[in-house]
Amino acid sequence: LAKTTQPISMDSYEGQEVNITCSHNNIATNDYITWYQQFPSQGPRFIIQGYKTKVTNEVASLFIPADRKSSTLSLPRVSLSDTAVYYCLVGDPGSARQLTFGSGTQLTVLP
Amino acid sequence: NAGVTQTPKFQVLKTGQSMTLQCAQDMNHEYMSWYRQDPGMGLRLIHYSVGAGITDQGEVPNGYNVSRSTTEDFPLRLLSAAPSQTSVYFCASRRTSILNTEAFFGQGTRLTVV
Repeated sequence: LAKTTQPISMDSYEGQEVNITCSHNNIATNDYITWYQQFPSQGPRFIIQGYKTKVTNEVASLFIPADRKSSTLSLPRVSLSDTAVYYCLVGDPGSARQLTFGSGTQLTVLP
Repeated sequence: NAGVTQTPKFQVLKTGQSMTLQCAQDMNHEYMSWYRQDPGMGLRLIHYSVGAGITDQGEVPNGYNVSRSTTEDFPLRLLSAAPSQTSVYFCASRRTSILNTEAFFGQGTRLTVV
């Protein structure tokens, strides 16, 4: 299973764009990159997944360079309610054991 | 759809007691998993299942048993509770797909062992 490295914490202000980068140097060919969000006392919630280049949905964008050894989650115009822990996961969706969580990044959005 | 439902939400056990954490999903997902999350930490995989009758161990299986008799249910049994098992437990389910990594999590069971 590919190991991921992401910043422990980040601060931002309301209305700013936030970029959280995740490093995954030993990503395998079948691996996808997935990001989850977790609020206190709640289970993680899926945000976005991608394999290569750029993926965008109504919540976030995910940028993946050609070598796939890193990825960047981009949250446009954050609000106070985006304060949460964000997890980057790398794994093969065909494997039931795919979801291995690291320590995540605590994002704090300030007024 | 209720999604993934965990019961109970809170539980206090004495050391040595046993109990079962319940998890049910109504999305007909094949994959189900149990995680524990200690304060300030990420989630660690305890056990997982790829379908009814099939289970396997995750990173931290000791002290826990699971079974999967139906697609919907995946109970987690604590055999003899220890203070080190004080944690928040999350159940998750995911459909079988080589392209989709989205998992759905329950709201968690907060367990305290005294």
